[in-house]
Amino acid sequence: AQSVTQLGSHVSVSEGALVLLRCNYSSSVPPYLFWYVQYPNQGLQLLLKYTTGATLVKGINGFEAEFKKSETSFHLTKPSAHMSDAAEYFCAVSTIAGTYKYIFGTGTRLKVLA
Amino acid sequence: DGGITQSPKYLFRKEGQNVTLSCEQNLNHDAMYWYRQDPGQGLRLIYYSQIVNDFQKGDIAEGYSVSREKKESFPLTVTSAQKNPTAFYLCASSIPPADTQYFGPGTRLTVL
Repeated sequence: AQSVTQLGSHVSVSEGALVLLRCNYSSSVPPYLFWYVQYPNQGLQLLLKYTTGATLVKGINGFEAEFKKSETSFHLTKPSAHMSDAAEYFCAVSTIAGTYKYIFGTGTRLKVLA
Repeated sequence: DGGITQSPKYLFRKEGQNVTLSCEQNLNHDAMYWYRQDPGQGLRLIYYSQIVNDFQKGDIAEGYSVSREKKESFPLTVTSAQKNPTAFYLCASSIPPADTQYFGPGTRLTVL
């Protein structure tokens, strides 16, 4: 069975500081991994995804994530936080095997301090 | 522009009423999904459909029903059997297998 754990339901960083949002997954087969961002009262928007190939994935708005199989992690980072990054971030996992289901983490709300 | 639309954006329901949430996509995706979002609980899968005229229950299907008569449309009915329907509902679609999901803007349902 698949699962996703996001450490920290709330994270605060200062503007210009490093953003690090943690995601660990569990999957018995090679996973597809995703990070989505959600602004208040809106749908989710894809930031980046890992399917196969290069383990360091670059996404929109300066975000990137690294797939580390040995650590079963897919942490999201951004070198310098901007006020517009304040939102909720969701990590998700799916697999090519079985049904077309996705498992989402419970989300991390990022606050950016001026 | 291709995308997913959901309507209405806000919906109010009296106890004992059934209500239907609309979801339409013009991305030509085969798979469509309905999620419920509550604060602090992430997204929970209600129903999903991999192809027209076929759908499967997700993790929290009780009190909900769906239909998939057209590829573009996947409406969700919240029945009176759903005891706590107040939530934010998100529709999504994808190209199987297991690739990126595209989300609609959501419908916020409130029970009066």
